[in-house]
Amino acid sequence: ETGVTQSPTHLIKTRGQQVTLRCSSQSGHNTVSWYQQALGQGPQFIFQYYREEENGRGNFPPRFSGLQFPNYSSELNVNALELDDSALYLCASSFRGRNTGELFFGEGSRLTVL
Amino acid sequence: AQTVTQSQPEMSVQEAETVTLSCTYDTSESDYYLFWYKQPPSRQMILVIRQEAYKQQNATENRFSVNFQKAAKSFSLKISDSQLGDAAMYFCAYSPKRSEKLVFGKGTKLTVNP
Repeated sequence: ETGVTQSPTHLIKTRGQQVTLRCSSQSGHNTVSWYQQALGQGPQFIFQYYREEENGRGNFPPRFSGLQFPNYSSELNVNALELDDSALYLCASSFRGRNTGELFFGEGSRLTVL
Repeated sequence: AQTVTQSQPEMSVQEAETVTLSCTYDTSESDYYLFWYKQPPSRQMILVIRQEAYKQQNATENRFSVNFQKAAKSFSLKISDSQLGDAAMYFCAYSPKRSEKLVFGKGTKLTVNP
């Protein structure tokens, strides 16, 4: 069973640039969620995708957008990067229907905005 | 809005001893999940234990157990026979049933002293 994998693991961008983070969900999972974890904080929910559609969004501006592909992999895109976007971005997958509430996390992508 | 509060930013324990991490939450829902996740320096969130709100029996997983007090909205984690590998950030999290959208606390850093 393949776990959740994310790429890249680290990246550095400058203010105003755009970034795309990628996630491959665990095999058999059909739902992908993205979380932002600022330094010293708990993760915050950005959004969730199910059947290639956004299914819930946290308190994040529209410049945070995403996609889910037919193979259930996902992308997180952030436009017009700001210094406060520096964080660890975590992807988590799950199987809707199993009804356990459990998420399986990747190791994250560490984004630094200069 | 649902909130999760962890009032202990840091805790330490001697190897082989027992430690309890505290968590309180706020929700108007009656059916939900509560979780404890562990995040070692490798960054990957790992599920430690899960509790379903409608189950009165406290969950246990080997050396890990919880004290779930639904009326008080309290959900503490007890780690028995602490091991060096238990050192990590521990996050308490809440999820409404059938939501798979987690609300995390700010975390407790656990240090295990040899």
